[in-house]
Amino acid sequence: DAGVTQSPTHLIKTRGQQVTLRCSPKSGHDTVSWYQQALGQGPQFIFQYYEEEERQRGNFPDRFSGHQFPNYSSELNVNALLLGDSALYLCASSRFRDSNQPQHFGDGTRLSIL
Amino acid sequence: GQQVMQIPQYQHVQEGEDFTTYCNSSTTLSNIQWYKQRPGGHPVFLIQLVKSGEVKKQKRLTFQFGEAKKNSSLHITATQTTDVGTYFCAGNSGGYQKVTFGTGTKLQVIP
Repeated sequence: DAGVTQSPTHLIKTRGQQVTLRCSPKSGHDTVSWYQQALGQGPQFIFQYYEEEERQRGNFPDRFSGHQFPNYSSELNVNALLLGDSALYLCASSRFRDSNQPQHFGDGTRLSIL
Repeated sequence: GQQVMQIPQYQHVQEGEDFTTYCNSSTTLSNIQWYKQRPGGHPVFLIQLVKSGEVKKQKRLTFQFGEAKKNSSLHITATQTTDVGTYFCAGNSGGYQKVTFGTGTKLQVIP
């Protein structure tokens, strides 16, 4: 039973570029949440997708956008990259109807901006 | 917006000593979760507390949820080197859908 998988594991970009990160949820999960974790800090909620729609959003600019596909996988897109976007990007999946069950995290994508 | 703070930020203990981290939310929580993140790893779910005043135990770990559902604590008895990592609390104030992580407590255990 595969857990949450994210790709790529590492990525290096330069300022102004655009990036797409991918996430496949755990089998049986239909909800995907994205988090940004800067070095030495806790994960910060970016947004959550369910039924291919953005359901909740944290305090992130419009440069951060996402998408969910019919198979529940998800993408996180970041445009006009800034140095401050360097972080570990975590994807977590859960079942929307099982509010008492925890979300499962993937290993993350380490994004470095030069 | 909701803020979740943890103290201490860092803790070094001798192996065998006890350890406690405290979590405080600016708003009342529906539930609180605790995660452990090893260096270079991702957060791993430990437990969820839902009821006011709830106490749960997992072997050497004891978790408490405050009566007002605004604070929580994690206590580890007789720490081991395998306990090394950063412990995060994460609060939810309206279903599972938006979780606010605390600032984390980094635990170092000296053998």
